[in-house]
Amino acid sequence: DQQVKQNSPSLSVQEGRISILNCDYTNSMFDYFLWYKKYPAEGPTFLISISSIKDKNEDGRFTVFLNKSAKHLSLHIVPSQPGDSAVYFCAASARRNNDMRFGAGTRLTVKP
Amino acid sequence: DVKVTQSSRYLVKRTGEKVFLECVQDMDHENMFWYRQDPGLGLRLIYFSYDVKMKEKGDIPEGYSVSREKKERFSLILESASTNQTSMYLCASSFWVNNSPLHFGNGTRLTVT
Repeated sequence: DQQVKQNSPSLSVQEGRISILNCDYTNSMFDYFLWYKKYPAEGPTFLISISSIKDKNEDGRFTVFLNKSAKHLSLHIVPSQPGDSAVYFCAASARRNNDMRFGAGTRLTVKP
Repeated sequence: DVKVTQSSRYLVKRTGEKVFLECVQDMDHENMFWYRQDPGLGLRLIYFSYDVKMKEKGDIPEGYSVSREKKERFSLILESASTNQTSMYLCASSFWVNNSPLHFGNGTRLTVT
C-alpha cells in the first residue's frame, strides 16, 4: 500500500507559466517532506524540502506548500522553464530518515 | 559534493544467477538505502542500513539480501535472479540526523532474461 501518492502521472505547461505538482500521503507519522527531480539516465536529485512545523518553504522559483490536515503537499514552479522538464518525485519520512517513501512520480513537460 | 557510485550502469543476467549490485559513498554517511524504480510505481524501498552490519527490511525485501561490512559500501544481492527483478536499482545515502535528504547514485539497469 503506497503511503505517498502522486495521482497525476504527467503534466504539460507552457514556458513562463506556473507548474503545480501535487502529492498526498496517508501516514500521519511523516514529518519531513521532500521533492526530487529526475532526468533520464540519472539518479534523483534533491530539490526542496519542508518539515511539518512549517506550511511553506520557498527556494527561488520553487515553493513547497504543506497542508497537514489534508495530508497534502504541492510543489509550485514559477516561472516554468524548458529545463524543468523531468520526472518529479514526492517523498516523505518520519523521524531519523530511515523510512523515506516515494510517490510514483509526475512527468513534467514545459513547452517553449 | 556528495558522490554515490554504483558499480555498473547496465547488467544483463540469466534467471537463477546470483547477482551483486555494489554501491559506494564518499561522504561518511551513516544511512544507506536500496530502491528499485518501476514505471507507475515510483521508487520502492528494498532494504536500508543505518550502521555497519545493520540492516532493515523496506517494503519489498523478498528475493533480496544486503551486506554492509564497511560504512561506505552497501551491496544488494539477488540470490537467484528472476525476470520480475528486471528493474532500475538506485542506491542512496544520507546522514543519521533528522531532515537529511537522500543522495542518489545514477542507478543500475538490471535485465534478467
